[in-house]
Amino acid sequence: EDQVTQSPEALRLQEGESSSLNCSYTVSGLRGLFWYRQDPGKGPEFLFTLYSAGEEKEKERLKATLTKKESFLHITAPKPEDSATYLCAVQATGGYQKVTFGTGTKLQVIP
Amino acid sequence: NAGVMQNPRHLVRRRGQEARLRCSPMKGHSHVYWYRQLPEEGLKFMVYLQKENIIDESGMPKERFSAEFPKEGPSILRIQQVVRGDSAAYFCASSGVDQTQYFGPGTRLLVL
Repeated sequence: EDQVTQSPEALRLQEGESSSLNCSYTVSGLRGLFWYRQDPGKGPEFLFTLYSAGEEKEKERLKATLTKKESFLHITAPKPEDSATYLCAVQATGGYQKVTFGTGTKLQVIP
Repeated sequence: NAGVMQNPRHLVRRRGQEARLRCSPMKGHSHVYWYRQLPEEGLKFMVYLQKENIIDESGMPKERFSAEFPKEGPSILRIQQVVRGDSAAYFCASSGVDQTQYFGPGTRLLVL
C-alpha cells in the first residue's frame, strides 16, 4: 500500500527565515508526486507535480525537488502570507491509481 | 474560468436525516473524486467517478454512503441517516486526462 509521511508536523519560522519541508513516500512505481497548499477553511490549492527523480519546479518563493524516496519543499525568505498547511501526495503507475495524501505540515510565518 | 464548485458550503443535519453534497467539476474535466477530511487529519479518499460510472469506491463506507455522476448535472455524494461521526469537511476534486486533481472549496457537514 502506498504511504506518505510528512515532517515536521508543524513549523514556525520568522519572516525571511528559509527552511524545507519533507515528504517521504513508499510506492510501487511513482507516476507523480503532488504538492498542495491548504488554507484554513478552504480546499487544497495545487502547486506542483513532479514525475521523476532529479526534477525540480519553482513558483515564487517555493521550490520542490524529488528523489527516489522523498521530496522537499524549500521555502526561501518566507512571508506571513506563506502560512498554510502544505500537503504532499503520491500516485502510483499503472492505469488508474488513487492518490494518497500525507497529513501535511502546518507552516506559520511570523512577521 | 470557473474552478471546481461545491454546494452547499455548510450543511447542518440532525441525526437520521439525509445529506446531499453537490460538486460541479472544472470545465473540460470528466473525472470526479470525493475526499473526507477530519480536523487535524489528512484527506481520505472516498470514491472516484467518471460520467455515469463509479471507477473506484474502495474508500467509501459500505452502508449509508453513495455517489453518482450523471450524464447531465453535478456529481452527488449522498449520506443517508447521518450520525455524529459523519461530521467532517467533504472535498470534491476534478481532473482531466493528465490526472492532476483540482479541488473545490469543500462542504462542511455538521451533524447535531
